[in-house]
Amino acid sequence: QVQLQESGPGLVKPSETLSLTCAVSGYSITSAYYWGWIRQPPGKGLEYIGSIYHSGNTYYNPSLKSRVTISVDTSKDQFSLKLTSVTAADTAVYYCARLTRGLIHWGQGTLVTVSS
Amino acid sequence: QSALAQPASVSGSPGQSIAISCSGTSIDVGSYYLVSWFQQHPGKAPKLIIYEFTKRPSGVSDRFSGSKSGDAASLTISGLQAEDEADYYCCLYSGSSTYVFGSGTKVAVL
Repeated sequence: QVQLQESGPGLVKPSETLSLTCAVSGYSITSAYYWGWIRQPPGKGLEYIGSIYHSGNTYYNPSLKSRVTISVDTSKDQFSLKLTSVTAADTAVYYCARLTRGLIHWGQGTLVTVSS
Repeated sequence: QSALAQPASVSGSPGQSIAISCSGTSIDVGSYYLVSWFQQHPGKAPKLIIYEFTKRPSGVSDRFSGSKSGDAASLTISGLQAEDEADYYCCLYSGSSTYVFGSGTKVAVL
């Protein structure tokens, strides 16, 4: 059974870069699937951020594309999210996920607050 | 990418059936896309309950069913139970790892 675990700072200052890592266990990140990030502001709906294949192919939500980088480290079975120039609007629970054709398996999520 | 439209809330009494619709401009009739549905209880991660419009993952109750009609998708919950009280999201996959979520529906069991 695949498990995904997010890690990273829970507090980021405005204008700085949000960085999160997702550790994958119970499944090799190189076997198949896309690996991605989804976020949910407090009390609001879900927003797809983007995803990456183990080969390095990426897809980013056009609304965030200019600020997002997703990378993968196959040697560690983990992938990462960087979101630059954050504002309070980026405060959210960030979920890492395994994705294929609409089948999404989720991590437990981690709250990131943007505040000075 | 505009979020898919869902009713903000739907309610029903225990034992009743309810339906949640999912539609929007992201859905082009005749184009390739798949719809999934997720259940989210407060403070928890979403859980996949329907994929590819009508398929249920192993372990998901058969009280949940999905359907497609024209350019819209629907989730039906039959035999409504107290544990079904949660938020429900549809999600459209249109290829090349492109996903768009619905606006979400809060289901209340009266």
